[in-house]
Amino acid sequence: DTAVSQTPKYLVTQMGNDKSIKCEQNLGHDTMYWYKQDSKKFLKIMFSYNNKELIINETVPNRFSPKSPDKAHLNLHINSLELGDSAVYFCASSPTGQLSYNEQFFGPGTRLTVL
Amino acid sequence: AQTVTQSQPEMSVQEAETVTLSCTYDTSENNYYLFWYKQPPSRQMILVIRQEAYKQQNATENRFSVNFQKAAKSFSLKISDSQLGDTAMYFCAFTPNTNAGKSTFGDGTTLTVKP
Repeated sequence: DTAVSQTPKYLVTQMGNDKSIKCEQNLGHDTMYWYKQDSKKFLKIMFSYNNKELIINETVPNRFSPKSPDKAHLNLHINSLELGDSAVYFCASSPTGQLSYNEQFFGPGTRLTVL
Repeated sequence: AQTVTQSQPEMSVQEAETVTLSCTYDTSENNYYLFWYKQPPSRQMILVIRQEAYKQQNATENRFSVNFQKAAKSFSLKISDSQLGDTAMYFCAFTPNTNAGKSTFGDGTTLTVKP
């Protein structure tokens, strides 16, 4: 069974559209993340949720809105897509607490292409 | 704020030989974790090895080992007996030991193992 899954794996869309990417983890982790990996492969954190509560919100345009309906799901909605949003978006999860290593488990990524 | 620096954007090694990837970081935290993640062409991010900052002993996972120098804030990854399947991008990451601490990733090193 897949530990961290994302849908869709590929997304091609026109500029100006609104799209969502879904993420689910079945590891029982408390914390989930969204990362953006650009064309140069740099990996930057966008958001983090702990038990459905937003705890990290990096400098990301407010066209990006994460939503966590429960601690196993973290979705990313993007409004008014721009060419520069083209990237691979990774969802990740990690356990937290004193005995955890905060090791992150990554999803397979969603390659978003904005035309 | 933490920073993680990987000074080698690209490296190559002959199959069966040993290669070392460098990583330095900067932080004012005393308690933290360090990780090396591997991203093969399939783009799935996989944890290679982790190190707790409070442990002096260097972590080892089969052919992968680290040289952790806390005072120098250095965390290099040594791959012994390199295999073709080790070809991937390698990311060094730092995570403070706080509840859902934010991880900072280096810019990655692309390693090519040549037959």
